Amino acid sequence: GQNIDQPTEMTATEGAIVQINCTYQTSGFNGLFWYQQHAGEAPTFLSYNVLDGLEEKGRFSSFLSRSKGYSYLLLKELQMKDSASYLCAVRGNAGNMLTFGGGTRLMVKP
Amino acid sequence: SAVISQKPSRDICQRGTSLTIQCQVDSQVTMMFWYRQQPGQSLTLIATANQGSEATYESGFVIDKFPISRPNLTFSTLTVSNMSPEDSSIYLCSVALVYGYTFGSGTRLTVV
Repeated sequence: GQNIDQPTEMTATEGAIVQINCTYQTSGFNGLFWYQQHAGEAPTFLSYNVLDGLEEKGRFSSFLSRSKGYSYLLLKELQMKDSASYLCAVRGNAGNMLTFGGGTRLMVKP
Repeated sequence: SAVISQKPSRDICQRGTSLTIQCQVDSQVTMMFWYRQQPGQSLTLIATANQGSEATYESGFVIDKFPISRPNLTFSTLTVSNMSPEDSSIYLCSVALVYGYTFGSGTRLTVV
């Protein structure tokens, strides 16, 4: 089975940096995904990690440590529009489907 | 990237009735998935829709309640049968691509 944990809510200030952590315990691992979801909208893809290390994409970076079952999403230069839910999802070895964590609701304040 | 057209976008249904949700993809994809997202919560996988064979359901979801069709590589339907207020949720389809997964815009279902 899969168990994926992330904080329920976080608050940060506009212009600051925030790190959203995700820990997972899975029976198999074939990649970790981060999605952003604004209220009432579908999730949109942010990043993908399958090897250890940091993947950087503009203001967003994602890190993975497979030995620790740990990932984080780093958001820099926060903007008000970054207020959303951030979903960590793991792909296992069988079936190619994603299993999602509970999501982290980020509120960016002026 | 693939574009998914999902409909209806929302519906209000009477308990005991059924609703069929459709997803059309603009390219052929091998794997399609159906998720449920209850208010304020994350996504839970209902089933994997397999072309040419029966869907594969996750624990807690059964074919009689959520029958799925996948007649070809660009289309799938999910039916929510004999609805009750507990079925009020957002339902999303998703496809697996080489570089990741894309989601439909979702169907917001309210059962009264």
